[in-house]
Amino acid sequence: DTAVSQTPKYLVTQMGNDKSIKCEQNLGHDTMYWYKQDSKKFLKIMFSYNNKELIINETVPNRFSPKSPDKAHLNLHINSLELGDSAVYFCASSPRRGGSYEQYFGPGTRLTVT
Amino acid sequence: DAKTTQPNSMESNEEEPVHLPCNHSTISGTDYIHWYRQLPSQGPEYVIHGLTSNVNNRMASLAIAEDRKSSTLILHRATLRDAAVYYCILRDYSGNTPLVFGKGTRLSVIA
Repeated sequence: DTAVSQTPKYLVTQMGNDKSIKCEQNLGHDTMYWYKQDSKKFLKIMFSYNNKELIINETVPNRFSPKSPDKAHLNLHINSLELGDSAVYFCASSPRRGGSYEQYFGPGTRLTVT
Repeated sequence: DAKTTQPNSMESNEEEPVHLPCNHSTISGTDYIHWYRQLPSQGPEYVIHGLTSNVNNRMASLAIAEDRKSSTLILHRATLRDAAVYYCILRDYSGNTPLVFGKGTRLSVIA
């Protein structure tokens, strides 16, 4: 059973398109996250949701919009894709939002914008 | 956010213990010390975390200095599968700040 799953695994698209990446966790966790890992392998937080409420929103272009329809899902929608959006996007979840809780990561979605 | 300092890379022989150091001299009393690792082409994987006392789990041990300004992740018997980038991260107990991944330590394991 996959704890944190993401779809699709690979996404190739052209500049200007709109795309979505889906994330689901079956762990019963309250808190979910989106991270971006660029070509230089730096991993950065983008968003965090706790019980469907946005709690962390780092400096991310407003072309990126997270949506949490329920506690088990956190989707990432990206409008007007740019070349610089090419990266691997990781979803994660943790039991609660506190710093004493570990995070479980999904396998990642490799986005390539041409 | 409090910062951590780790060596860029380390090397170990298979089946030998590995001690991965991390300095965090500006740690606050409410910061938890987390360790994650990322194997090639995979998502980060939680390893262990602690606050003040040493911690053990099935993957590793975490030794925390008495003044909490440094910690060491101990892999008791390195295997080839342990080759990864290891990240030492501080996170406030509130959870209001995110995990901040630095460059980590790239561990190579030699057969």
